[in-house]
Amino acid sequence: EAGVAQSPRYKIIEKRQSVAFWCNPISGHATLYWYQQILGQGPKLLIQFQNNGVVDDSQLPKDRFSAERLKGVDSTLKIQPAKLEDSAVYLCASHRGTRGGYTFGSGTRLTVV
Amino acid sequence: QQPVQSPQAVILREGEDAVINCSSSKALYSVHWYRQKHGEAPVFLMILLKGGEQKGHEKISASFNEKKQQSSLYLTASQLSYSGTYFCGTAPGAGSYQLTFGKGTKLSVIP
Repeated sequence: EAGVAQSPRYKIIEKRQSVAFWCNPISGHATLYWYQQILGQGPKLLIQFQNNGVVDDSQLPKDRFSAERLKGVDSTLKIQPAKLEDSAVYLCASHRGTRGGYTFGSGTRLTVV
Repeated sequence: QQPVQSPQAVILREGEDAVINCSSSKALYSVHWYRQKHGEAPVFLMILLKGGEQKGHEKISASFNEKKQQSSLYLTASQLSYSGTYFCGTAPGAGSYQLTFGKGTKLSVIP
């Protein structure tokens, strides 16, 4: 089966600019997650979707981050305005919803200068 | 709450064994293990569910002691391909697959 697709692969922006990331999960996977991974750390959950509904966004900095999953398939994560501390790899993962692991995308490496 | 992994880093020679531990201060229902190579996405290794289950894949196995809220990953006769950072992810409840990841254990296997 095809994996989780993410784009862009890399992005460099200046602070206060906006940026958007895109994720296409594995077909049929109802659950989609966005994680933020700062260099040297484990992934930190930002938001969880079940189909096109938000299950948990308690750790999403809502003053600057937003995410949506239209039609329960693709998802976008947006940051506006970006801060230096947002520099990280943003990982999208999808899950079938039964016993088994996540499938992660290759991630988007964001550098804010 | 983030699980605690130990050790933070380990260096092995090919053929040596290693154990990576993951402990939580909260009750756990399941533990996932992932391996991430530099610049790549984490890759799923195995999941352990409440019940003291032990699983294995080739020379990598794991155990889960829900009473102690701990899981251990065992790497036997390590190969160069085992190098990477290993993360445990924990979920608190049945049917919940929302994971909280530890900070990772960096494993380096040298010839």
